Amino acid sequence: DTGVSQDPRHKITKRGQNVTFRCDPISEHNRLYWYRQTLGQGPEFLTYFQNEAQLEKSRLLSDRFSAERPKGSFSTLEIQRTEQGDSAMYLCASSLGFGQNEKLFFGSGTQLSVL
Amino acid sequence: DQQVKQNSPSLSVQEGRISILNCDYTNSMFDYFLWYKKYPAEGPTFLISISSIKDKNEDGRFTVFLNKSAKHLSLHIVPSQPGDSAVYFCAASADSGGSNYKLTFGKGTLLTVNP
Repeated sequence: DTGVSQDPRHKITKRGQNVTFRCDPISEHNRLYWYRQTLGQGPEFLTYFQNEAQLEKSRLLSDRFSAERPKGSFSTLEIQRTEQGDSAMYLCASSLGFGQNEKLFFGSGTQLSVL
Repeated sequence: DQQVKQNSPSLSVQEGRISILNCDYTNSMFDYFLWYKKYPAEGPTFLISISSIKDKNEDGRFTVFLNKSAKHLSLHIVPSQPGDSAVYFCAASADSGGSNYKLTFGKGTLLTVNP
């Protein structure tokens, strides 16, 4: 399978705990994105990497959130001191291309439930 | 406020008939529009796109129409097949240095195609 891989698929945690998600993009893709989808809503942009550089972060990404892509390959998204409002599907996507030929390929997501 | 609006949460059509999914946007800076399809427990997959310099783009059974003056686009699927049953997301981007990395999604429309 050469698609975008996300781990874990599901995560249940208690309020106040820290969680970390991993995303492995399609191997030749240099861009990696994190989106969040809550129930009944469309995905919302969180942050974006080109190679290892984090180029933009949404205002949705509070100080409790941090994302890394240390070697320009896989990425991690960490949420510290989780809150119930963090419960959502966290989607990773990757792309290769520029301009209007750029197409995002999404993973299956990590479903986070904060109790 | 929702910059991309899909006002129909659901749509049900008979197999073989046409499915029309609608999307409205408010941000006049949007210049590229995409449709994604999402099956349960999977990430969104790219379906078709259209640039603001065009008013129609066709790919097999799927056609997207763009009416810039009305800030409206629609996705036509003809003929509809049961395998088309999924949530369809409309998305838009504003050219940021030639990249479409930051997509704004609508809430989605659940299409059900009945055999």
